[in-house]
Amino acid sequence: KQEVTQIPAALSVPEGENLVLNCSFTDSAIYNLQWFRQDPGKGLTSLLLIQSSQREQTSGRLNASLDKSSGRSTLYIAASQPGDSATYLCATLSGYSTLTFGKGTMLLVSP
Amino acid sequence: SQTIHQWPATLVQPVGSPLSLECTVEGTSNPNLYWYRQAAGRGLQLLFYSVGIGQISSEVPQNLSASRPQDRQFILSSKKLLLSDSGFYLCAWGASLNVADTQYFGPGTRLTVL
Repeated sequence: KQEVTQIPAALSVPEGENLVLNCSFTDSAIYNLQWFRQDPGKGLTSLLLIQSSQREQTSGRLNASLDKSSGRSTLYIAASQPGDSATYLCATLSGYSTLTFGKGTMLLVSP
Repeated sequence: SQTIHQWPATLVQPVGSPLSLECTVEGTSNPNLYWYRQAAGRGLQLLFYSVGIGQISSEVPQNLSASRPQDRQFILSSKKLLLSDSGFYLCAWGASLNVADTQYFGPGTRLTVL
């Protein structure tokens, strides 16, 4: 059974810092890995999707990498802004379209 | 464009009462549909998914059930709620089982069982 772990559970940084969120998974037989953002009391918004054959994906100030063999992914956020404050969730796709989520990293970027 | 709706947004129910949460998708046909629960201190957990009308797969045994009476409608139900059913329920849809496709999430329903 796939298990997804995210470290740290919470992170507080001043505006402008570059930061890295970590995600690890136990079963490397995945189809893809995704990063989502969740604002308090809201649904999830997909940020980046990395297929198993890919190493990284970039969108604006976000860059996600995938090392399937070691079961790790990182989400890099450049020049953080207060608007980046949210919970970031990592999820792997395996089986019959089954997404397995980590518990998330709660990010607070202070002005 | 596609949109996904969930209602109600919040719900407070007593233990032992029934439950019905509804999810509808607009702007697409034959979507894959999913119900997730996010409980306090736990990750998002897949409860049910459906690849077509009347086709429901359960991921976790529980006192909840799901139905798909129409192509773009997904309902989560319970005959008798438990305290442990409290949580944030999210519906999602996906265009296909293609690994390059993501899932799109609704706004969620906050359920509190007292």
